Amino acid sequence: DAGVIQSPRHEVTEMGQEVTLRCKPISGHDYLFWYRQTMMRGLELLIYFNNNVPIDDSGMPEDRFSAKMPNASFSTLKIQPSEPRDSAVYFCASSLGLDRGYNEQFFGPGTRLTVL
Amino acid sequence: DQQVKQNSPSLSVQEGRISILNCDYTNSMFDYFLWYKKYPAEGPTFLISISSIKDKNEDGRFTVFLNKSAKHLSLHIVPSQPGDSAVYFCAARLSNFGNEKLTFGTGTRLTIIP
Repeated sequence: DAGVIQSPRHEVTEMGQEVTLRCKPISGHDYLFWYRQTMMRGLELLIYFNNNVPIDDSGMPEDRFSAKMPNASFSTLKIQPSEPRDSAVYFCASSLGLDRGYNEQFFGPGTRLTVL
Repeated sequence: DQQVKQNSPSLSVQEGRISILNCDYTNSMFDYFLWYKKYPAEGPTFLISISSIKDKNEDGRFTVFLNKSAKHLSLHIVPSQPGDSAVYFCAARLSNFGNEKLTFGTGTRLTIIP
């Protein structure tokens, strides 16, 4: 099984541009998570979905960030307009969930975003 | 505010010796703790975990210790190998029913010196 797939792996854009990050979770996983990694704050949870429904978006930094999960195999994280302080590595993760007895989250390789 | 803290950004250990990575937390409602390992240009991968009802969990060369009264956990790697060089994140989960959210620390970069 392919693991969590993210695209693009690298994105360089200019301030003010719209950025869309994409994620395909592991097939059969009910939960999908978006994280951001920075040196200062480590790995921060931005939002997570259960069966395509957003459950907790309290980590989304501001209205410029939005996430969608139109179906069980695809999710997007959009930043509009982007700012230099959004530069970070963004990870997507998926899991079977605690309700099935699984604690582990499986992470994708990440998207390194640079906003100039 | 950082509820899970890894106060050592980096650690260097001689190959064959013991590596000890530390993690402190502030929220007494955390009931499950995990360690993840991350290589450059890859996502974190699960390493080992421990429930708050235990004080030790062992898996091969890796042992996690939990001291609830001190709100402290540690990861011991014995013996350390060059392939252990990576960034290690500790994570914690609140005990709310159905809560899937993990709170991560900032990570510790472990370098094993051959």
